[in-house]
Amino acid sequence: DGGITQSPKYLFRKEGQNVTLSCEQNLNHDAMYWYRQDPGQGLRLIYYSQIVNDFQKGDIAEGYSVSREKKESFPLTVTSAQKNPTAFYLCASSQGTSGRIPTGELFFGEGSRLTVL
Amino acid sequence: KNEVEQSPQNLTAQEGEFITINCSYSVGISALHWLQQHPGGGIVSLFMLSSGKKKHGRLIATINIQEKHSSLHITASHPRDSAVYICAVPNYGGSQGNLIFGKGTKLSVKP
Repeated sequence: DGGITQSPKYLFRKEGQNVTLSCEQNLNHDAMYWYRQDPGQGLRLIYYSQIVNDFQKGDIAEGYSVSREKKESFPLTVTSAQKNPTAFYLCASSQGTSGRIPTGELFFGEGSRLTVL
Repeated sequence: KNEVEQSPQNLTAQEGEFITINCSYSVGISALHWLQQHPGGGIVSLFMLSSGKKKHGRLIATINIQEKHSSLHITASHPRDSAVYICAVPNYGGSQGNLIFGKGTKLSVKP
């Protein structure tokens, strides 16, 4: 079955640590996205990638980094520079994108919940 | 900038009831997304529509482009429909354009 796999589902981070969230898709989609969800708020875009070896900042990129070395993979690193990293992180993909706006249906993973200890 | 408002914020229904969730936006768009976030957190795309109506099983989505309004209907609701329903609309603005997500409508269907 085609879809998006995120891991780990739960992650705990100590102060000063970098952590990496994995996102893998087998939908053959060019565009991939990382969103952050906080209680009572809509999803916010962290980073997006329109094609392999390319990625762009979203609205809240500070303290985060990404890579897109393979079409299937778009890992997100939450660095120690992110002052408030406790949140639910969702990875998504779509067939295409017009800048930061998906031009097709969005497919999401199950999410990763990060908690800072 | 496009603004999106969903109503109601919370909705409790009895099994079998007809459900309507509303989404209004402020700037004309090309397409609108309806998403379902289940209790575990994962999100599933329900509809992407640009005009008229779409139906999938017991779910129906409509959009009125002139009034900048969309509705999601659930017929014969069931406890497994309990989830947060989110609408999302594009906010055009060149390189700063984005998909704007509503805060969601939390639906609870009681048996």
